[in-house]
Amino acid sequence: DAKTTQPPSMDCAEGRAANLPCNHSTISGNEYVYWYRQIHSQGPQYIIHGLKNNETNEMASLIITEDRKSSTLILPHATLRDTAVYYCIVFPFAGGTSYGKLTFGQGTILTVHP
Amino acid sequence: EPEVTQTPSHQVTQMGQEVILRCVPISNHLYFYWYRQILGQKVEFLVSFYNNEISEKSEIFDDQFSVERPDGSNFTLKIRSTKLEDSAMYFCASGTEKLFFGSGTQLSVL
Repeated sequence: DAKTTQPPSMDCAEGRAANLPCNHSTISGNEYVYWYRQIHSQGPQYIIHGLKNNETNEMASLIITEDRKSSTLILPHATLRDTAVYYCIVFPFAGGTSYGKLTFGQGTILTVHP
Repeated sequence: EPEVTQTPSHQVTQMGQEVILRCVPISNHLYFYWYRQILGQKVEFLVSFYNNEISEKSEIFDDQFSVERPDGSNFTLKIRSTKLEDSAMYFCASGTEKLFFGSGTQLSVL
């Protein structure tokens, strides 16, 4: 699996946008970029994923650079409940007999403060 | 919204005892996983399961561990003879295009 690099920690003011960067310079053509988060000791929560186009859902937006070597997760209006560890993971969704596995790194600890 | 359900939420056991952690994945999902997280450490992959067989397992998943999907709905992780170092939060996950995780079972081995 390709590796990712994320800053260990970030701060964000409540109500402001949180922009979390991720480098994945060795990503392969069939690998998607997935973002998960873990609030305290809860199970990881899926946020969003994409291949090469920018994606948006009710939780966040994902911006992937044209060369796919980096991406940014955007939480448009961060709240205190968004304080969590955010994981950027590259993952070859094959959809066949070999689905692969998500490999979690250390992630970015995002602290949203009042 | 459908969710992955894990029971029990907490399990305390004596070293050397067998434990079974239970999971009910989301119906119509095809891929099933167990992960664990030791306090303060990363979420670690244990095993993946597809088409009623193990598709991949980590070095952690030794002969003391086994998984089953006995009735088409439940997905279980058994630890035959628990050790102190098995104390961790165990997460079950299921998915197709994306994985959904349960809220975990906190296993404490005394």
